[in-house]
Formats: sequence, structure tokens, C-alpha cells
Amino acid sequence: DVKVTQSSRYLVKRTGEKVFLECVQDMDHENMFWYRQDPGLGLRLIYFSYDVKMKEKGDIPEGYSVSREKKERFSLILESASTNQTSMYLCASSLPGGVGELFFGEGSRLTVL
Amino acid sequence: TQLLEQSPQFLSIQEGENLTVYCNSSSVFSSLQWYRQEPGEGPVLLVTVVTGGEVKKLKRLTFQFGDARKDSSLHITAAQPGDTGLYLCAARQGFQKLVFGTGTRLLVSP
Repeated sequence: DVKVTQSSRYLVKRTGEKVFLECVQDMDHENMFWYRQDPGLGLRLIYFSYDVKMKEKGDIPEGYSVSREKKERFSLILESASTNQTSMYLCASSLPGGVGELFFGEGSRLTVL
Repeated sequence: TQLLEQSPQFLSIQEGENLTVYCNSSSVFSSLQWYRQEPGEGPVLLVTVVTGGEVKKLKRLTFQFGDARKDSSLHITAAQPGDTGLYLCAARQGFQKLVFGTGTRLLVSP
């Protein structure tokens, strides 16, 4: 059974803390994505990666960075968390190109106090 | 500005009723997908439509891609509590990026 695993389902952090969200997929997919989900706004793309060590900014990259050192792992980093980054974060993976399906993890709900 | 607007934003109905969810844009897309997200889970793909005017059926769910490939609809016949969830449309932007709509939250009560 294909799987995208996000390391933490729930996190509570304080303003200014550095936050790491980890995502691992077991499908050997080239593409990996980080979205944040907020009510009424749907899913908004933060960053994506189409190969190891490659990254592209999405629609809302400010305040975030990413790391992809291995094909199966894509990390989202909040260098200095702020309260407006309180959200649900979803990781996804897909095969490259075409109209491929995105496979999502269960999400990480981050609260920044 | 949101690329894909969905309506309604929220829908609460009784079991057995029919409903339609809309996904609209001013842009033309090469394809459009619909996902459903249940509480505590990530979105799961329901269907991909590619051709303008295309209609696809998945049991009681009917998906249509507009002739001009700018909009899509999802119609559910005789809704059941198991249909409860967040419905998201998504369209490909560029080569690798998928842009999502604002979402429609559906609650079907017994």
C-alpha cells in the first residue's frame, strides 16, 4: 500500500522557534510538495521539488524553506515561527509530468503561540 | 486572487438529497482533478477530466468538465452520510504544479 508519512500529526511551538516538518514517501516518486490548508482558502502551495536537491517556490514561500537530500524525504522548515503560520500542513508526492495523481500524507497541524 | 473558486463553500443536506458543487476559473486548463478529504486525512483523488465537455461517473458521483475547460461541476445523487467531507477541485498550472480550489465542505445527515 502506497504511503506518504508525515512525522508529526500535532505540534505546538512558540513564536520565534525553528520548526521542522518531515515527510517521507515510499513510492519512489520524483515530485514532492508542501501545501498549507486554511479554511476557505483551500490548499496553497508553499514549495515543491522535482528531484533530489532541487526546489521551486510555490505561491506562498515567504517564511518557509525546504530540504530534499534524499528522494524519499522532503522537509519543510520554518526558520522563525510566527502566529500566522498556525495551520494544517500537507505533504504530497507524485510521478513527474502529465496529469498525475497527488498522494497526500495525513497532515501536520501546527499551532504557534 | 484565487485561481479556482468553488461554490458553495459549505453545504448541509439530508441523506437522499441531490447536490451540485461548482469549480470556476477565468483560466483555461489542460486537465482538472477532484479530490475528497475526510476529517483527519489527506485529500484523495476521485477523478481526472481532460477533454472539454467530458463527463465521468463514479457510482453516484458525476463529474463534468466545461466545454471551454474553464470550469467543472460535481453532482452527487442521493447523498449518503459517507459522502461527508471536503471536496476540492485542482488544476494543473505549468508543468508540475497543481493549484487547488477554495473547497466545498459537505455534511450529509442521516
